[in-house]
Amino acid sequence: ETGVTQSPTHLIKTRGQQVTLRCSSQSGHNTVSWYQQALGQGPQFIFQYYREEENGRGNFPPRFSGLQFPNYSSELNVNALELDDSALYLCASSYWGGTEAFFGQGTRLTVV
Amino acid sequence: ILNVEQSPQSLHVQEGDSTNFTCSFPSSNFYALHWYRWETAKSPEALFVMTLNGDEKKKGRISATLNTKEGYSYLYIKGSQPEDSATYLCLSGNTPLVFGKGTRLSVIA
Repeated sequence: ETGVTQSPTHLIKTRGQQVTLRCSSQSGHNTVSWYQQALGQGPQFIFQYYREEENGRGNFPPRFSGLQFPNYSSELNVNALELDDSALYLCASSYWGGTEAFFGQGTRLTVV
Repeated sequence: ILNVEQSPQSLHVQEGDSTNFTCSFPSSNFYALHWYRWETAKSPEALFVMTLNGDEKKKGRISATLNTKEGYSYLYIKGSQPEDSATYLCLSGNTPLVFGKGTRLSVIA
């Protein structure tokens, strides 16, 4: 098992609501990346945080936002939830410039 | 952001068969190529990281090769077993890592 944990593991929200997903990083890692995996698709890059700043963003609207804390844990916030936001959300912890990444188990979000 | 393509999307093989999958990636500005094995309800597990053209890595019955000049990597599984059933993800890049869509392998006993 990796040292990366995500919470919660499952979540059901109503369309229009807001959600916060959390990720703890592997010890010593300073970079966290978030991915969305919709059913039948590969994970899609949402954004990445390095030393508490956003350092790259995929093709996701501004209602997807994030935070990285001094201990390198991270949050993904999604506002105004839509049905299409239903997916598995993965976070990956890595060291900037390194060649390894460790993944959490993911949070399964269902929007109804 | 790179485009990483994997094929096939899914694969069904009989126990004991050998199989292989492909990962294609842009060959320019190559940094590293990762293979991960992802079982349902578990975190993706790192199999190999390859950085040099011509790299070959092996772990038990699983091996991988890398061609950075033409932009592809092969993952081979020899003598597939039911416990090999998983999604195999190819990732390229440095940070952020860019995923392929994965190859879902089902090994039928």
